[in-house]
Amino acid sequence: GAVVSQHPSWVICKSGTSVKIECRSLDFQATTMFWYRQFPKQSLMLMATSNEGSKATYEQGVEKDKFLINHASLTLSTLTVTSAHPEDSSFYICSAYTTGAYYEQYFGPGTRLTVT
Amino acid sequence: GEDVEQSLFLSVREGDSSVINCTYTDSSSTYLYWYKQEPGAGLQLLTYIFSNMDMKQDQRLTVLLNKKDKHLSLRIADTQTGDSAIYFCAEEVPSGSARQLTFGSGTQLTVLP
Repeated sequence: GAVVSQHPSWVICKSGTSVKIECRSLDFQATTMFWYRQFPKQSLMLMATSNEGSKATYEQGVEKDKFLINHASLTLSTLTVTSAHPEDSSFYICSAYTTGAYYEQYFGPGTRLTVT
Repeated sequence: GEDVEQSLFLSVREGDSSVINCTYTDSSSTYLYWYKQEPGAGLQLLTYIFSNMDMKQDQRLTVLLNKKDKHLSLRIADTQTGDSAIYFCAEEVPSGSARQLTFGSGTQLTVLP
């Protein structure tokens, strides 16, 4: 099946710095990618929908100036956590979907962010 | 709005069948999914069912959908220790051109030897 990668798989950063997470669709083109956030032992919460060549659509309560999303190509979306704080520590998962005979959304392996 | 609920924990003995249940509220859902998440990993799609189907079987997995009651279940036959993971059901509801998923809280399945 289709493969989605994320980089880095884990990152530790100091409070106040910015961190960029990459999401790539390796063997298919994805016009739409999604960014999710998952707290320990909780479900995935959709943060934003990233569309290639246009601005991302953010879910209610997600600060667009803090979580910058860029979908520069059909295979790459990036999430930048700006001025990170300890409460931003979480597991960030991206997904991409491809249309074909049926719909399937492929998930990346996730990025563990720890802000100290 | 959309709301998807699951029980949090399930324990079964190896070799038994596991049944994980899920309820949802949005009747306009098109697809319903089951995902598996192992510790520290992303989500793996296990199976899905189109909303006009009642049942789907795929090897050890059986999905039952009761659209009237908005109830979805996943049955894993001959459960193995490697099946221990968190299982998420998810509902897809069309939202403009985007196809967003709403996830349940996840059910932690523990398989006892």
